Amino acid sequence: GENVEQHPSTLSVQEGDSAVIKCTYSDSASNYFPWYKQELGKRPQLIIDIRSNVGEKKDQRIAVTLNKTAKHFSLHITETQPEDSAVYFCAADGNQAGTALIFGKGTTLSVSS
Amino acid sequence: ETGVTQSPTHLIKTRGQQVTLRCSSQSGHNTVSWYQQALGQGPQFIFQYYREEENGRGNFPPRFSGLQFPNYSSELNVNALELDDSALYLCASSFGTSGIQYFGAGTRLSVL
Repeated sequence: GENVEQHPSTLSVQEGDSAVIKCTYSDSASNYFPWYKQELGKRPQLIIDIRSNVGEKKDQRIAVTLNKTAKHFSLHITETQPEDSAVYFCAADGNQAGTALIFGKGTTLSVSS
Repeated sequence: ETGVTQSPTHLIKTRGQQVTLRCSSQSGHNTVSWYQQALGQGPQFIFQYYREEENGRGNFPPRFSGLQFPNYSSELNVNALELDDSALYLCASSFGTSGIQYFGAGTRLSVL
């Protein structure tokens, strides 16, 4: 089945810097790659997603890139702000069921002002 | 439009007991997926229900079972609770088999 690896596990940046989180996946049949942000004690919230027919997608300060050949995708956050501090999870559709998601272990992002 | 709601928010049980967790899907959604999130880990897929039928299952034993009702709300049942079942249980709803998943706030289960 699908396996998703996520790096780094923790990331500390200064306000205004960029942050990059990388994920690799194992199942070449995966087609959908969402990113979720989870603040302490709160629900995971979708921040951006990408499907396999697209190489890059951007939404304001957030962008995701996908390399299907290498089976990796990345989250890029520019001009980080303290409110970006949270745990970020990447995921891939597991192909076990229509929309089952297989998640990475998460990256704890800390943005200091 | 209402979001995904889960109940209860917290639950304490003892080993060997049974528990039922509930999830109301977002308006217009017909698919519910359940996940277990251990502390410091990513959510792990338990199973998914689509139009009242199980539509896929992760690597969880049969004592984890579920239901989906005609209004697309869902229940997760866990029998013979073990200490390792202590976790945050999340449900997510979506429309159709390729829909974006929206999560509820979860039920925090503690097994003593």
